[in-house]
This record gives sequence, C-alpha cells and structure tokens, in this order.
Amino acid sequence: KAGVTQTPRYLIKTRGQQVTLSCSPISGHRSVSWYQQTPGQGLQFLFEYFSETQRNKGNFPGRFSGRQFSNSRSEMNVSTLELGDSALYLCASSLALSRYSEKLFFGSGTQLSVL
Amino acid sequence: GQQLNQSPQSMFIQEGEDVSMNCTSSSIFNTWLWYKQDPGEGPVLLIALYKAGELTSNGRLTAQFGITRKDSFLNISASIPSDVGIYFCAGLESGGGADGLTFGKGTHLIIQP
Repeated sequence: KAGVTQTPRYLIKTRGQQVTLSCSPISGHRSVSWYQQTPGQGLQFLFEYFSETQRNKGNFPGRFSGRQFSNSRSEMNVSTLELGDSALYLCASSLALSRYSEKLFFGSGTQLSVL
Repeated sequence: GQQLNQSPQSMFIQEGEDVSMNCTSSSIFNTWLWYKQDPGEGPVLLIALYKAGELTSNGRLTAQFGITRKDSFLNISASIPSDVGIYFCAGLESGGGADGLTFGKGTHLIIQP
C-alpha cells in the first residue's frame, strides 16, 4: 500500500511569490491534515480537510489556504510568501473514523525555502 | 493553544543503553501517540494509546498512557544505532481537539559509539 506522497520535495521561492504544495493520501484515507514544522516552533497544525471540506483550522493567517478534491488529494497554497514561511510542510492522512483525526500517517514533506 | 512539555530535549547515550522520555500536558488527553522522525523525512507512527493506564509495546519500544491522562512515557530498551532520530509525542484533547493533534517539541536521541 503506497504511503502519503507529497510533491515537490524541495522548493525555493522569493518573498511575495505564492506556492502550491500537493499531497496524495493513503488509498482509502478520507482526511488530510497539513502541518508546518520549523526548528523553533516544532510541528504546528495548519488545517484538516475531510470530504472536500475544511473541518478544522489552526492559528495561521489567511495567506495559508488549502483544498481537497473528490479523490481525497489535497493542495495547500501560501500567497505573498514571507521569509518566516520557510519550513518543512508536512501532509498527513487518516481514516478519520471519528470527528477529529488522530492516527496520522505523514508524508516526507515539502521543504520550502523563501529567499 | 495547548502546550505539551516533552523531556528531555536531547539525550546522548551509549549503544545498548535503555532510553526514557516523557510528555506532560496541563489538560486531559484521550489519545497519546508517539512518532519518530528521521532527517529529511516525515514522522512515522510508533505507538498509539487510547486508554488511561494502557501499556503498549512495539518491539523494543514501550509506551504508557498516564493514569492522570495528562502524561505519557516512551521507553526504548537496548538502543541500537538506527534508533537515532527525533521522537515526538502527540496528543488529542478530550474535548476533541479542534486544533488537531498537539505535538511536543521532540526529544533528539543521539547514540555515541
């Protein structure tokens, strides 16, 4: 069974640009969550999508957005990039048998560098 | 949001030693998870705990869900070089956790030759 796939693995952007990251969940998983990981802040929750709807959202500005497609694949978008957005962005999928996804399976992440 | 205190921040041990790390929270959790992250990769789920007092093993790894539901422990017995990495605890609050899983800051495990 294939794991969670994230593309691209690495991205270099400049301030003010926007970026779109992609995530394909494990087959059969209906929930996709996104996390930002930095050395200083650790893993921070961005948002979760289930059945094409955002059902949970972390404390990030509106520049961070996402969506989920009917095949459960998800994309995350960051507009007007700032230097502080440099981080490893992790996608995780879950069967989501309950209201809040718990047992998360992570992809390898997209390392975003903003210059 | 909820904070998880994970300790120690780092551990320098000799191969073959046992390892212990823990996580504490200020509120009650109904799920505790332990993950391991290797450089350049995403976290990999090691053990999931769902019940206070629960003790679960996965090979040389053993984790426990604290009786107070505010803490969890992970032990690694007879460490080997491939145990090197960052170990994260994660928890889901009893209220459902609208902010998703809360993660600790991680314990860096370094094994000295």
